[in-house]
Parts: sequence; structure tokens; C-alpha cells
Amino acid sequence: SYELTQPPSVSVSPGQTARITCSGNPLAKQYAYWYQQKPGQAPVLVIYNDSERPSGIPERFSGSSSGTTVTLTISGVQAEDEADYYCQSADSSGTLYVFGTGTKVTVL
Amino acid sequence: EVQLVQSGAEVKKPGESLRISCKGSGYSFTSYWIGWVRQMPGKGLEWMGIIYPDDSDTRYSPSFQGQVTISADKSISTAYLQWSSLKASDTAMYYCARRGGSSSGYGMDVWGQGTTVTASS
Repeated sequence: SYELTQPPSVSVSPGQTARITCSGNPLAKQYAYWYQQKPGQAPVLVIYNDSERPSGIPERFSGSSSGTTVTLTISGVQAEDEADYYCQSADSSGTLYVFGTGTKVTVL
Repeated sequence: EVQLVQSGAEVKKPGESLRISCKGSGYSFTSYWIGWVRQMPGKGLEWMGIIYPDDSDTRYSPSFQGQVTISADKSISTAYLQWSSLKASDTAMYYCARRGGSSSGYGMDVWGQGTTVTASS
């Protein structure tokens, strides 16, 4: 199996930009997905296929990819964006997934 | 409305067996893979495995192979996660989630509300 590495925490002031990285060898060939999880709630998909946004997800959430690293960017951070964020990817079969280590975003 | 509804919280003793469920509605249950995810208290998300309800094709994460059994009954649109002998270390929240189709690029686009499993003597 493989690992996806994220920074444990990111702190940002309201209105500023938060960037969360996710690194792992499979990301060079496989898509990444990003999930937001607020305390006591189930995760929510916020980015798929590295940079696509599901319907209903605010435009301030965006994703990008470069080599073995993908990045989730939250522009104009709001207090409601305070949550844990996880990246995810799959192997070539598309059914063996792995989650990243998770990043806690704190809005100061 | 597309949704996955999971069974309620469980409190069991180590060594006991358990099966929890995840019922899909609002979509064609047999057309989408259903995955299971563990979240231990205060910890991150862990991928356990996935099943295709139409033919019960099941793929396990190496970390969970042999530790749990994933199954599905397509006649009642329900997926299951079961243990034959619980351990205290199985205490966690368990989520089921639907692997999306082309509209969500095979990310997990619909999640159940989670089932808390507590294994304690």
C-alpha cells in the first residue's frame, strides 16, 4: 500500500487563503479527492478529480495538482471552513483507496 | 433524495459478533460501489474496503483483510459490515459511503451518518 502525507495543521485569518498539501507517489498518476469533516459530522466531498468542485460546494474551494503533490486551496476563508480536511486517492484498480493523514484548519 | 442510512449505535463485549448496516435510497443501489471507512476516536479516516452490490464484488484494504467481512443484499438495497469476534480496538465510528459516478469522478459523494461501535468488557 502507499501513504498520503498532509500537514497536521494550518491556521489562517478570516478572509485570507488557506493551502493544504497532500503528497504521495500515486498522485502522479491517480486523481485526488478532498473531504471536509466538521466535528460530529460525516465527511463531505469538496473536490474530485484533483480540481473539480461538486455542485453545492462554494467557489472558494479549489484544487490543483503538480507531480506527486496536490493542493486544496480555500480562498477568502470563513469561520465555517474550520474543519478537518482529508485527501484521498486510489490505486490503478480504482477500488483500493487511501486517505491522507488529515489537516486541521483553524480560523483565527 | 439520495441517502445512505446506517444502523444505530452498538455496545458489545470483546469476542462478540456484530453486523452493522447501510441502506441506500433515492438511486439505483446496484449501480454504485459502497465503501466502508473507520474513524477511531480522535483519529483520521481509514479505508476498509468496498463492495459492488450488483454482483458482490468486494475489495479489502490489506489492513482490514481477514478482520471484517463486507457484504450486500441488493434485494433490500443494504450493505453490511460485520465482525465475527470484536476486539476492544474495533471501538470506532464506521461510515459507509457511495463511490460516485462520472459526476463526482469516483470520489465518495454520499455518506451515511455513521455508526458508533463500542467494544468494552
